[in-house]
Amino acid sequence: KAGVTQTPRYLIKTRGQQVTLSCSPISGHRSVSWYQQTPGQGLQFLFEYFSETQRNKGNFPGRFSGRQFSNSRSEMNVSTLELGDSALYLCASSLGHSVNTEAFFGQGTRLTVV
Amino acid sequence: KNEVEQSPQNLTAQEGEFITINCSYSVGISALHWLQQHPGGGIVSLFMLSSGKKKHGRLIATINIQEKHSSLHITASHPRDSAVYICAVSNADKLIFGTGTRLQVFP
Repeated sequence: KAGVTQTPRYLIKTRGQQVTLSCSPISGHRSVSWYQQTPGQGLQFLFEYFSETQRNKGNFPGRFSGRQFSNSRSEMNVSTLELGDSALYLCASSLGHSVNTEAFFGQGTRLTVV
Repeated sequence: KNEVEQSPQNLTAQEGEFITINCSYSVGISALHWLQQHPGGGIVSLFMLSSGKKKHGRLIATINIQEKHSSLHITASHPRDSAVYICAVSNADKLIFGTGTRLQVFP
């Protein structure tokens, strides 16, 4: 069965622009979580969606937002990009709530803000 | 102080050696996860456990809830085990991650 697919894999954006990243979960999985990974801060939780509803949100500014569609695919959007937003963005899908069921991660989208 | 601490930060080993990576946490948890991240970024979930011990091939994970500590063991290490190993705990409705242990296994 196909794994978690994230697109695009690499992205270069200019400060001030906005960006949209996509995550297609494993078929049948209803939960999608997003994470930011930077060398300085490590992995940090952004938000989780379950059945099109945001279930939980990490400690990130409002410039970071997301949504989930009826087919469980999810997008995250970052507006007014800052240099510090350069990171690897990972999504993970799971059957149930991500904290209590096995999570399957995508390969990530590497965002560089210049 | 981080809520999830891992040690060591870096680890080198010769092929065949027994390896232990430790994870300590200071918050209440419902589960603990061990993840493996290879160069390039992809993350694989190795274990999710809330008590006792789990084994998968050459990997063993243990957790002591009273001591708030978990260990990941790799028996008969191999160069393909070279990766970053990350401990994460399920706290309330989110995962809190350790900073990872970078393991290099040389032939």
